[in-house]
Amino acid sequence: DTAVSQTPKYLVTQMGNDKSIKCEQNLGHDTMYWYKQDSKKFLKIMFSYNNKELIINETVPNRFSPKSPDKAHLNLHINSLELGDSAVYFCASSPIANTGELFFGEGSRLTVL
Amino acid sequence: SQQGEEDPQALSIQEGENATMNCSYKTSINNLQWYRQNSGRGLVHLILIRSNEREKHSGRLRVTLDTSKKSSSLLITASRAADTASYFCATDKTSGSRLTFGEGTQLTVNP
Repeated sequence: DTAVSQTPKYLVTQMGNDKSIKCEQNLGHDTMYWYKQDSKKFLKIMFSYNNKELIINETVPNRFSPKSPDKAHLNLHINSLELGDSAVYFCASSPIANTGELFFGEGSRLTVL
Repeated sequence: SQQGEEDPQALSIQEGENATMNCSYKTSINNLQWYRQNSGRGLVHLILIRSNEREKHSGRLRVTLDTSKKSSSLLITASRAADTASYFCATDKTSGSRLTFGEGTQLTVNP
């Protein structure tokens, strides 16, 4: 069974569209994260939720809106997509907020044309 | 500037050789972690070393931490082609603070 799963794995869309990426973890962890990895492989945290509550909200355009319906799910919705949003988005989870090992999903590659 | 910076950016070796990657950071840390990322995949945790530890081993991996120099190294012994991946260090400044990743070292192990 996949521990942290994200869908879709690939997403190609036009500028201006709205899209969502979904993430689910079956590890029973309290904390989930969204990271963005750019073309140079630099990983930057975007959001972190602990037990459905937002605990980290980096300087991310408000076109990005995370939503955590329960502690096993963290979705990312992006409005009015721009070319610069093209990247690989990783979901991750950890047992305790910001402590110890992170468990990553396989990533969702978003390409904005 | 980034908290963690790895060097070299890229490393190419022959199977059986040892690979050493370094990570430097700017501020004091609580823990330092190393992750591996195979091409097109997610990151996988390798090892965590606490700020009061100097060395840690896990199989063919050896991690050292020198807090006075604000640096860490990851040694992979007897490398295999399957070790080909990007390796990232990640630090947290205090317990409970966010994890910050370095830029990664791309390791290629040639068979």
